[in-house]
Amino acid sequence: DVKVTQSSRYLVKRTGEKVFLECVQDMDHENMFWYRQDPGLGLRLIYFSYDVKMKEKGDIPEGYSVSREKKERFSLILESASTNQTSMYLCASSLSGLAETQYFGPGTRLLVL
Amino acid sequence: RKEVEQDPGPFNVPEGATVAFNCTYSNSASQSFFWYRQDCRKEPKLLMSVYSSGNEDGRFTAQLNRASQYISLLIRDSKLSDSATYLCAVDLTGNQFYFGTGTSLTVIP
Repeated sequence: DVKVTQSSRYLVKRTGEKVFLECVQDMDHENMFWYRQDPGLGLRLIYFSYDVKMKEKGDIPEGYSVSREKKERFSLILESASTNQTSMYLCASSLSGLAETQYFGPGTRLLVL
Repeated sequence: RKEVEQDPGPFNVPEGATVAFNCTYSNSASQSFFWYRQDCRKEPKLLMSVYSSGNEDGRFTAQLNRASQYISLLIRDSKLSDSATYLCAVDLTGNQFYFGTGTSLTVIP
């Protein structure tokens, strides 16, 4: 079974803090993704990566950055957290070919106060 | 128009009923389609892929209508355990999936 893990299930941060969300997959997948999910808006892609050290912007990259130093790990960084970044953050991975099935981690619920 | 649209519901159906959801998409060149299930406060999990000829997995049937640009999910003999939100995912650009906002299903005893 594919396993995607995320470093935290719940996080509470203050406005202006730097926030790191970590994601690890154990299936040697090429592609990794970060989404945020908000009521009524569904899943929106923030960034994705199709190889180590490669990254591509998704639909809503503003206020976020990412890092992929190792194939199995994809980090999402909020340089200066803001209240409108309160959300559920979901990491996903897939085999090579960006239209392959994506497998999701359990999600991180982030609250920015 | 949203790239991928679903009726948010909620759909409340009795046990044993048949229920169907549709998901429309904007790009006629889309090639890959999936249905995911998401339980409350959990991550989406793949339910089934959608093939051009339609496909079935037990009580679940997925179909693609390219002419009208929608996919559908049919659930027969609904169980209480089918209560969840169902998300469609469509590859619109060849390198990115777009997800619908989900359709909420509650199966009532």
